[in-house]
Amino acid sequence: DVKVTQSSRYLVKRTGEKVFLECVQDMDHENMFWYRQDPGLGLRLIYFSYDVKMKEKGDIPEGYSVSREKKERFSLILESASTNQTSMYLCASMPGRRNYGYTFGSGTRLTVV
Amino acid sequence: AQRVTQPEKLLSVFKGAPVELKCNYSYSGSPELFWYVQYSRQRLQLLLRHISRESIKGFTADLNKGETSFHLKKPFAQEEDSAMYYCALGISNYQLIWGAGTKLIIKP
Repeated sequence: DVKVTQSSRYLVKRTGEKVFLECVQDMDHENMFWYRQDPGLGLRLIYFSYDVKMKEKGDIPEGYSVSREKKERFSLILESASTNQTSMYLCASMPGRRNYGYTFGSGTRLTVV
Repeated sequence: AQRVTQPEKLLSVFKGAPVELKCNYSYSGSPELFWYVQYSRQRLQLLLRHISRESIKGFTADLNKGETSFHLKKPFAQEEDSAMYYCALGISNYQLIWGAGTKLIIKP
């Protein structure tokens, strides 16, 4: 029944490392999103994609990039991890129709040391 | 500017008591509003949306455009309602603006 899968539940990386977070959905959704979830701040949008190879910056794109080469996969890349990127990262997808409600992955808790 | 405000970070009520989680929004267009819930160790999931006017798990939410509010209510809280609740505003076909969330604790 799992529809949005994030490759890792927990990750520990060193400062300066390049980090890849993977997200795969099996619902043929056009839209995919990457969020950070921090206590007291709610969800903040990093990037989203509304089609293959298309991407849009969200509210906090600095220090991140994304890749969407296939419809089902949306990758978040931390070019050079820093301690302030320690967070819970959530991937979500949504159909291409009118705003409908997101389906979320279970999240990746990233710790940068 | 578009904004969603959940004034309570934490709400604690006794089992059987009524629950109201507050949500206020700021948006110049026609709002679409949602409540999402995250139970402990589970993924974030959609609870209800205002256009459906539905009741899920005993929760209801009414959009009040005059007060720009979309409060979530349940007449009798149950222990399994303990969770993190987020209010969200749809501003386009793609994006949601999120509140900071309210942690609801139901005391036995």
